[in-house]
Amino acid sequence: GQSLEQPSEVTAVEGAIVQINCTYQTSGFYGLSWYQQHDGGAPTFLSYNALDGLEETGRFSSFLSRSDSYGYLLLQELQMKDSASYFCAVQNAGNNRKLIWGLGTSLAVNP
Amino acid sequence: DTEVTQTPKHLVMGMTNKKSLKCEQHMGHRAMYWYKQKAKKPPELMFVYSYEKLSINESVPSRFSPECPNSSLLNLHLHALQPEDSALYLCASSHPGTVNNEQFFGPGTRLTVL
Repeated sequence: GQSLEQPSEVTAVEGAIVQINCTYQTSGFYGLSWYQQHDGGAPTFLSYNALDGLEETGRFSSFLSRSDSYGYLLLQELQMKDSASYFCAVQNAGNNRKLIWGLGTSLAVNP
Repeated sequence: DTEVTQTPKHLVMGMTNKKSLKCEQHMGHRAMYWYKQKAKKPPELMFVYSYEKLSINESVPSRFSPECPNSSLLNLHLHALQPEDSALYLCASSHPGTVNNEQFFGPGTRLTVL
């Protein structure tokens, strides 16, 4: 089967750094994406890794290790507005590049 | 224009009604998607259109009928729905040629089936 595992909930304080891990088991792999979704909102794309290593975009970074089938999203200098759900999603090889989604991590940032 | 629009924002319908959800994008994307999302769950793929042709149907019940009249529009026709179909219905689009297949989501239609 195909599955992605990520923690269901994470809590942190403003200004802190948080890492959300994602391990995946899929039959094909193009890359790992991260999406953010605020309550009542739509998912928005954060980052994508196809190759091993770290991709940095402002306060957010994403890492991938293909050999370990593992990735993480790193959020630095946390702000209250970062409170949201974060989904990792694997881009499936073939099959029109369908996304296989993790169950999501609910991040609560406290003052 | 970098947004996906969806109408209506909210819809309440009875089990015998017929209604349609509409989605529009003007980013030149040639892949469009319908997702269903329940509270606290990830989006669940329903249909994918690629270059206006249905390329993926995730074994969705026939009471959901998608339509892609042109490259900018995507409809989802609803008929004889069940209460368990109540959910947020999200439309998304992407450019098939991009490496990351970034999907741009609309705000969704919150559907309640009575």
